[in-house]
Amino acid sequence: GQSLEQPSEVTAVEGAIVQINCTYQTSGFYGLSWYQQHDGGAPTFLSYNALDGLEETGRFSSFLSRSDSYGYLLLQELQMKDSASYFCAVQGSQGNLIFGKGTKLSVKP
Amino acid sequence: KAGVTQTPRYLIKTRGQQVTLSCSPISGHRSVSWYQQTPGQGLQFLFEYFSETQRNKGNFPGRFSGRQFSNSRSEMNVSTLELGDSALYLCASSLTGELFFGEGSRLTVL
Repeated sequence: GQSLEQPSEVTAVEGAIVQINCTYQTSGFYGLSWYQQHDGGAPTFLSYNALDGLEETGRFSSFLSRSDSYGYLLLQELQMKDSASYFCAVQGSQGNLIFGKGTKLSVKP
Repeated sequence: KAGVTQTPRYLIKTRGQQVTLSCSPISGHRSVSWYQQTPGQGLQFLFEYFSETQRNKGNFPGRFSGRQFSNSRSEMNVSTLELGDSALYLCASSLTGELFFGEGSRLTVL
């Protein structure tokens, strides 16, 4: 089966850098995705890594190491609006996305 | 371009009742997935529909069912509601893999 592990909570201060790790177990791998969800809101897509390495999109970067079954989301120059839950996800054997339980990021002033 | 629309946004039911939730995907998206979200459990996959056919199904009991219409709109139904079915039910549509989620339907079972 598939499973993903990520920390349940992370706290950081404005302007800092935070890294949210995700390890996964899957029978077939087709890429690692990250989604952001603010309280009361809908999850929104942040990034997708199919190959090893770093993908950068503005203040957010996502990294993947397929040999280690590991990835992370890096948030730089943290802002209060970055306070949200972050989910990593992998594609299941049937094609559907399997999500981790999410990491709640709290950004303090 | 309109996003994914889910109705109703909030509803309260009692144990034993049934409920039907509706989802209108983004125009042109033929894939619709449903997820259940509860505190501490993240998003758990219910099922996916594509062109009116159920393509994938998660590990939920048969009380949970769904369907998709020719215009790609989808409904999910939960029969014989249990207290544990209280959750946020999220619908997502996709065209090329990236999921676009609706705001969800928050179901409370009393």
